[in-house]
Amino acid sequence: SQQGEEDPQALSIQEGENATMNCSYKTSINNLQWYRQNSGRGLVHLILIRSNEREKHSGRLRVTLDTSKKSSSLLITASRAADTASYFCATDEWDDKIIFGKGTRLHILP
Amino acid sequence: ETGVTQSPTHLIKTRGQQVTLRCSSQSGHNTVSWYQQALGQGPQFIFQYYREEENGRGNFPPRFSGLQFPNYSSELNVNALELDDSALYLCASETPDNTGELFFGEGSRLTVL
Repeated sequence: SQQGEEDPQALSIQEGENATMNCSYKTSINNLQWYRQNSGRGLVHLILIRSNEREKHSGRLRVTLDTSKKSSSLLITASRAADTASYFCATDEWDDKIIFGKGTRLHILP
Repeated sequence: ETGVTQSPTHLIKTRGQQVTLRCSSQSGHNTVSWYQQALGQGPQFIFQYYREEENGRGNFPPRFSGLQFPNYSSELNVNALELDDSALYLCASETPDNTGELFFGEGSRLTVL
């Protein structure tokens, strides 16, 4: 099954800074989602953006989608220690099933 | 809290054994998907069940099988366990209106020795 790719694989930033993660995918999609996973636990849904949307906000999260480039970005503003986690993008590009990328491991430094 | 519960949370098996993992989804969620997540990797789609029927399968061999029951709870069975089956197994349910959002359980950590 297809899998998106997140970039970077790992990211360390100071608390209070902004974190940006990128995701690329291969074929056409109906929507793209971002999930967060704390170490060894289940994934938590953060935000969903539809293919006809270009930008979406939720609290400190901002997601963009560029279907011409088959890419998305997740921006977390004013990062906090609690934001330390792995972040995954997920698309429905394979037979309408939700397929995940390999993730970006974000570490917020005090 | 997503309302999705998985059991057991941890288990250890030896090569060649069989394992059954269980998932109870949120009330009314009639679609359940199973994912395998190896350490440091993203979740890999195993298969999906919709109203008790398999509704799509990823690149996993037939020794990975599943069931969905009338109350929409689900089981994942793995036969002839191999060392590479060691992973976190995640169950996720979806709402009937098919928004695409997945609600995950906390997973079952399987170690194969």
